[in-house]
Amino acid sequence: GAGVSQSPSNKVTEKGKDVELRCDPISGHTALYWYRQSLGQGLEFLIYFQGNSAPDKSGLPSDRFSAERTGESVSTLTIQRTQQEDSAVYLCASSLQVSSTDTQYFGPGTRLTVL
Amino acid sequence: DAKTTQPPSMDCAEGRAANLPCNHSTISGNEYVYWYRQIHSQGPQYIIHGLKNNETNEMASLIITEDRKSSTLILPHATLRDTAVYYCIVRVGRSGGSNYKLTFGKGTLLTVNP
Repeated sequence: GAGVSQSPSNKVTEKGKDVELRCDPISGHTALYWYRQSLGQGLEFLIYFQGNSAPDKSGLPSDRFSAERTGESVSTLTIQRTQQEDSAVYLCASSLQVSSTDTQYFGPGTRLTVL
Repeated sequence: DAKTTQPPSMDCAEGRAANLPCNHSTISGNEYVYWYRQIHSQGPQYIIHGLKNNETNEMASLIITEDRKSSTLILPHATLRDTAVYYCIVRVGRSGGSNYKLTFGKGTLLTVNP
């Protein structure tokens, strides 16, 4: 079946511009996560959506970052007034959240470069 | 979540079994052992997970010691496409709280050589 998809795969933008990243989770997965991975670094949790519950936004690094999710489908991560330190690979994952182990499956990521 | 220790790098000949070790001596009884891998410039890929028993799927086998303080991921017939960074993590099952936040250590860079 189809996995998690993300678009665009690459995004180059100028400092100060807004960008929107999209994630399509695996169909039926109720949980959706955004992470980012800077060059040579580990995963950094950003935000978590689960059904109709309030999202966990505790990982968003600043108020320039926001994310939305429509029901249990598509999510968009928006970065306003981008800065060079926002350059990273932004990863989306989804999970079924019906089992005790709740495996997260990742998309291919969006590589964001802020010039 | 308990910490894990993995060798920074390993080499394996194509067609041979790759055995990747992971130490997790502080693992708790309700923590699972998970393995992911990340091929260069791609998103992390789930491989396998287990609690106490050995597990096998189409990608790999996971051998967990009886005391659960260490485990080994086995790729039975490594191919060049298995060259990647392999991450071993331990995490509690879905029991509430914020245990859904995955963190990866530095992992093991497995290089499969022709």
